[in-house]
Amino acid sequence: EAGVAQSPRYKIIEKRQSVAFWCNPISGHATLYWYQQILGQGPKLLIQFQNNGVVDDSQLPKDRFSAERLKGVDSTLKIQPAKLEDSAVYLCASSLDVGSYNEQFFGPGTRLTVL
Amino acid sequence: GDSVTQMEGPVTLSEEAFLTINCTYTATGYPSLFWYVQYPGEGLQLLLKATKADDKGSNKGFEATYRKETTSFHLEKGSVQVSDSAVYFCALSLRGNNNDMRFGAGTRLTVKP
Repeated sequence: EAGVAQSPRYKIIEKRQSVAFWCNPISGHATLYWYQQILGQGPKLLIQFQNNGVVDDSQLPKDRFSAERLKGVDSTLKIQPAKLEDSAVYLCASSLDVGSYNEQFFGPGTRLTVL
Repeated sequence: GDSVTQMEGPVTLSEEAFLTINCTYTATGYPSLFWYVQYPGEGLQLLLKATKADDKGSNKGFEATYRKETTSFHLEKGSVQVSDSAVYFCALSLRGNNNDMRFGAGTRLTVKP
C-alpha cells in the first residue's frame, strides 16, 4: 500500500513570495490533515478535511494560508505572502475516517525555508 | 488547554541500555495516548497507543502504560539498538473531537554502538 505522498520535499523562498505544497493521501482515506512543525517543536494542526469539507481550520492563519481538497482526494496548502516565521516542515497526514481510534499516517513532509 | 509535556532531549545511550522517555498530559476529557517515532528523513510513524486507563501499548520492544492517576504515558525499552535512534513524540487525541492530535515537542534519541 502506497503511503502519503508530498511534494516538493524542500523549498526555499524569500519573504513575501508565495509557495504551494501538494499532498496525496492513502487511497480510500477520507480524512486529511495538514500540520506545521517548527524546528524543536511537535506538529501543530493547521487544517483538517473530511472528504472535501473542512472540519477544523481554527489554527490556520487565514490571512496568508489557504488549503483546498476539491475532489476529496489530494490537497494543496498555499502560503501567500510568506513570512520568516513560516519556516517549518509542513506535514500531511491521512486517516480512514474521523475518530480517535483511527491511526493517522504521515507523509515525509515539505521543509520550507523563508529567507 | 489539553496538552502533552515530554522529557527534553537529546538523550544519548549506549547500545543495550535501558530507555525511559517521560510524558505527562493535561486533558479535560478522557484522551487516547500515542507515541510516534520519526526516523531521519522520514515522516512520523505510530509506534504504540493506549485508549483507556491501565492499557499498555507495546511494539518493537517498546511499551508504555496509560496511568490516569499520574496522568502519564512514559515510553520504555529494555535494551535499545542503534536503529532506535530517532525523534520520539508523545501525543494525545480527545475522543469525539475529530481526532484532534496534540503533540509534545519531541525527544531526540541517539544510540551509540
